[in-house]
Amino acid sequence: QSALTQPASVSGSPGQSITISCTGTSSDVGGHNYVSWYQQHPGKAPNLMIYEVSDRPSGVSNRFSGSKSGNTASLTISGLQAEDEADYYCSSYTSSSTVVFGGGTKLTVL
Amino acid sequence: EVQLLESGGGLVQPGGSLRLSCAASGFTFSSSAMSWVRQAPGKGLEWVSTISDGGGSTYYADSVKGRFTNSRDNSKNTLYLQMNSLRAEDTAVYYCAKTTLSTKRVGMRRITMIVAFDYWGQGTLVTVSS
Repeated sequence: QSALTQPASVSGSPGQSITISCTGTSSDVGGHNYVSWYQQHPGKAPNLMIYEVSDRPSGVSNRFSGSKSGNTASLTISGLQAEDEADYYCSSYTSSSTVVFGGGTKLTVL
Repeated sequence: EVQLLESGGGLVQPGGSLRLSCAASGFTFSSSAMSWVRQAPGKGLEWVSTISDGGGSTYYADSVKGRFTNSRDNSKNTLYLQMNSLRAEDTAVYYCAKTTLSTKRVGMRRITMIVAFDYWGQGTLVTVSS
C-alpha cells in the first residue's frame, strides 16, 4: 500500500488561509469517507484535527476544515496563527482493511 | 482525561524481540479499540496494527504481519505489542492510540473499518541496531 501524496511544505502569513491536499486512489481516499487529519508539533505526539473527511473533534478550532473530491482530500486552515505551524498528516482507511498515511506536510507561518 | 503511557522501548539487536506496553486511563478501555502507530526518526507516520475492544479482531500492516502481535488485557487496562524478528527498519517511536471503528453490514458480512486515532500517547523509542 503506497503512502498518500501530500505536498512536502506549505506556507502562509498570519490571517491567511492555506490548503493541504492529500491524494490517494479509489481503494482508499476515493472509496471511503474515513479520511482523517493529524497535527504534530516537533517532539510531540500527533493530535486528531479532522475525522470522517470533515468532522471536527470537540475542542478543535473551527478554523480547521476538511473536504474531499474524488481521490483527493483537503485540509483548509483559515485565519492562520503562529501556533498552527506544525507537521500535518492525512490518513485513510483502505479496502484492504488497513490504514495508510500521507508523507506529511510542514506548515510554516511566515 | 484520557491518558496513554507507553513503555518497554529500548535498544535491541537485529533479530531480537521486544514487548511494548501501553497503560490506559481516563476512559472505558474495554469498550475502545486500540492501535499502534510508529514514526521512524525524521520520517512520517506509519500505521502498524489495530485491535478491537474485546481483542477478538486484529489488523496488521504488511510490513509487520507475522512478526508483531497486538494484544490487550482489559482487566489491566493495558495494550501490548510483541515484536519479534526485529529489523533495522523497525527503528521508530511507537505510539499507542485510542481508536474509533465503524461496522457496517454488506450482504451477509460485517465489515469493520478503522475511522480515526482519537488520542495518542507520548510514544516509546525502539532502536534496532547491532
